Amino acid sequence: QKEVEQNSGPLSVPEGAIASLNCTYSDRGSQSFFWYRQYSGKSPELIMSIYSNGDKEDGRFTAQLNKASQYVSLLIRDSQPSDSATYLCAVKGGTGNQFYFGTGTSLTVIP
Amino acid sequence: ETGVTQTPRHLVMGMTNKKSLKCEQHLGHNAMYWYKQSAKKPLELMFVYSLEERVENNSVPSRFSPECPNSSHLFLHLHTLQPEDSALYLCASSQDPEGIAEQFFGPGTRLTVL
Repeated sequence: QKEVEQNSGPLSVPEGAIASLNCTYSDRGSQSFFWYRQYSGKSPELIMSIYSNGDKEDGRFTAQLNKASQYVSLLIRDSQPSDSATYLCAVKGGTGNQFYFGTGTSLTVIP
Repeated sequence: ETGVTQTPRHLVMGMTNKKSLKCEQHLGHNAMYWYKQSAKKPLELMFVYSLEERVENNSVPSRFSPECPNSSHLFLHLHTLQPEDSALYLCASSQDPEGIAEQFFGPGTRLTVL
């Protein structure tokens, strides 16, 4: 079983729509959760971090965490073509210094 | 320089060569990381240094040898690599190694092993 699972996509949404990206993780002891955006040929760039159950909003981005279901999601409102990238879900393991990344979801926003 | 820098950005080496990757962080962080990113695979954590001490070593082959001389610099020494080691090698840093703080990534070194 993979530590962090994401739908690889590709996910396509029209400009202005809401893009919904999902992630599940296996380690129930995990406490820290992150979403990174990675443009082709570039390094990952942090978008959101979330540590407690519920929603966390930052501009057009909302991260949602449900520890009981071991589920993290990222919503992008009013999607823009510049949001087209691969989105990586990352989870800090419950013990030690392990970080686990998903394979990423490729998002395309169609103008 | 700001953030996390890595040199070289691109490296082509033969299987018998010895080379080193360099990472420098200008953020005042005390933890540094090496990751490997291969196509269609998740980022793989290779090494973690906290306060200049190695705290994680994820069963990485001995042909990869990390070095952390101080909290701002991290090296990855390479020798007798294999073609399957070709990948993007990313360095990251964070304020604390416990994982509460976010990691910031450098631009990466694209490594090709012939």
